Amino acid sequence: DGGITQSPKYLFRKEGQNVTLSCEQNLNHDAMYWYRQDPGQGLRLIYYSQIVNDFQKGDIAEGYSVSREKKESFPLTVTSAQKNPTAFYLCASSIAVAKNIQYFGAGTRLSVL
Amino acid sequence: GDSVTQMEGPVTLSEEAFLTINCTYTATGYPSLFWYVQYPGEGLQLLLKATKADDKGSNKGFEATYRKETTSFHLEKGSVQVSDSAVYFCALSGDTGNQFYFGTGTSLTVIP
Repeated sequence: DGGITQSPKYLFRKEGQNVTLSCEQNLNHDAMYWYRQDPGQGLRLIYYSQIVNDFQKGDIAEGYSVSREKKESFPLTVTSAQKNPTAFYLCASSIAVAKNIQYFGAGTRLSVL
Repeated sequence: GDSVTQMEGPVTLSEEAFLTINCTYTATGYPSLFWYVQYPGEGLQLLLKATKADDKGSNKGFEATYRKETTSFHLEKGSVQVSDSAVYFCALSGDTGNQFYFGTGTSLTVIP
């Protein structure tokens, strides 16, 4: 089945630690996205990528980094510079950026120990 | 810039009641409009979409009509069920922009 796989489902970060969230898609989509969702709130865009080896900052990129070395993969690193990382992180992909449906993974819940 | 304004919740309805969740948008050009649903602890699932004015998206008894004159895309369902309890997001994708814009979400609880 085609889809988007996020792992792990739950992740814990220690103080000062970097952690990486995985996002893989087998939909052959060019565009991929990372969103952050806080309790009772909407989605905020962290980073997006329109094509391999290219990515752009979203509204809340500080304290996060991404890479797009392969079309299928768009990992997100939450760095120690992100002081409030506890949230639900959602990865999405679409055929292209404009006017296209975004398909979402099941999410990763990150908590701080 | 482009944006979506969505009715705030939470909304609580009895089973078989009529549902309306309001959504209005601001955009240049001719965006596509979407409704997504999120069940607890899960990602977002596309519920329905409309790509041009006067289009009606429908799925699982839910409907929304793309109204350019009122810049609206309100979600409706004639008879809600307990299983419809979820958070609903209105979203916009512009034809020239490079982002999706989401509303803040409306939490719906349906009680038996």
